[in-house]
Amino acid sequence: AQKITQTQPGMFVQEKEAVTLDCTYDTSDPSYGLFWYKQPSSGEMIFLIYQGSYDQQNATEGRYSLNFQKARKSANLVISASQLGDSAMYFCAMREPQTGANNLFFGTGTRLTVIP
Amino acid sequence: EPEVTQTPSHQVTQMGQEVILRCVPISNHLYFYWYRQILGQKVEFLVSFYNNEISEKSEIFDDQFSVERPDGSNFTLKIRSTKLEDSAMYFCASISGAGVGNEQFFGPGTRLTVL
Repeated sequence: AQKITQTQPGMFVQEKEAVTLDCTYDTSDPSYGLFWYKQPSSGEMIFLIYQGSYDQQNATEGRYSLNFQKARKSANLVISASQLGDSAMYFCAMREPQTGANNLFFGTGTRLTVIP
Repeated sequence: EPEVTQTPSHQVTQMGQEVILRCVPISNHLYFYWYRQILGQKVEFLVSFYNNEISEKSEIFDDQFSVERPDGSNFTLKIRSTKLEDSAMYFCASISGAGVGNEQFFGPGTRLTVL
């Protein structure tokens, strides 16, 4: 079974509008971390936001917020006031400490295109 | 701000040749990783390294792969005899500790092209 599922291969959003990128996860570990990364066309992986499984509040970082619904095992990324520079691939990832290595499991990504 | 660096940024090689991809993790970090991303696909875990040994590896990390931390700063990934399907972006990453919330810092990647 996939640990991270991103069901939207591509999304379009009008500049200055908000957009939600979906992510669901699968784990039996009560302690885990959820991450979102941005990958522009240049290829590097840019960390955006982190949500811990025990965090009571939804994480926010500037224009990025994470809509964490633990019972539904979803961790959707919300980008507010989209900018042209937000056009990129976005990957959701999870870390489970029970793996020992603390490596990240990535989803297949969502390509976001911001329309002027 | 400290960063993970990788060299070269792009490597082109002939099938069957050996390649070494180099990484310099952030200096006080303890855990090191290699990931692979085939063009247009998701990022996949290859191997993790802690305390001078492999702590975990994926099914992708077969006998043709090896990792080394030869001098306390560099962290290398060697592919012994490259295949066409090894063409991918290879990312090095490091974290400071084992906590689930520790950010994994990624290098800019090495794009490997096998001809």
